[in-house]
Amino acid sequence: DGGITQSPKYLFRKEGQNVTLSCEQNLNHDAMYWYRQDPGQGLRLIYYSQIVNDFQKGDIAEGYSVSREKKESFPLTVTSAQKNPTAFYLCASSGGPPTGAGYGYTFGSGTRLTVV
Amino acid sequence: ILNVEQSPQSLHVQEGDSTNFTCSFPSSNFYALHWYRWETAKSPEALFVMTLNGDEKKKGRISATLNTKEGYSYLYIKGSQPEDSATYLCASSKAAGNKLTFGGGTRVLVKP
Repeated sequence: DGGITQSPKYLFRKEGQNVTLSCEQNLNHDAMYWYRQDPGQGLRLIYYSQIVNDFQKGDIAEGYSVSREKKESFPLTVTSAQKNPTAFYLCASSGGPPTGAGYGYTFGSGTRLTVV
Repeated sequence: ILNVEQSPQSLHVQEGDSTNFTCSFPSSNFYALHWYRWETAKSPEALFVMTLNGDEKKKGRISATLNTKEGYSYLYIKGSQPEDSATYLCASSKAAGNKLTFGGGTRVLVKP
């Protein structure tokens, strides 16, 4: 079945360490996105990529980095420069033939990152 | 309106009752309005994508309307059931691409 896989589901990081969150899709979608959710807040866009080898900053890119070397993969690195990294991170993709909901996003199941 | 806003933040509905809630979005440079349902411990699931003023979409007991001139959309749940309990997200995109800006969500709890 096609979908998006995020790993790991839970991640603990020590302060000062970089950590990479994985996002893989087999939907043949061109565009991929990373969002962050904090308690009581909506999803905020970190980075997005509309095509391989290209990506753009979203609204809260500081302290994060991404790469898009393959169409299927869009890993997110949370660097030590991110002041408040504890959050829930969601990856999504879009593109391809429309579904019953048009060109809606397909989301992964998320990674909960905790800084200890 | 500069951001996407949803109201109320949460609501409790008795099983069998109907309910509705609002999404407000910037009406300038509007391209599309999305609705998603996000159940606990699951991934958000796309419900509707609407682009035209006056659009109405329906999926089972859930329907949505769109007013692009005044920048709002309503989501309706008819005859609410416990399985409708979820957070409902709306998001809008501008003409430049499909990058979505999300609202804070409306959390719906249907009580048996």
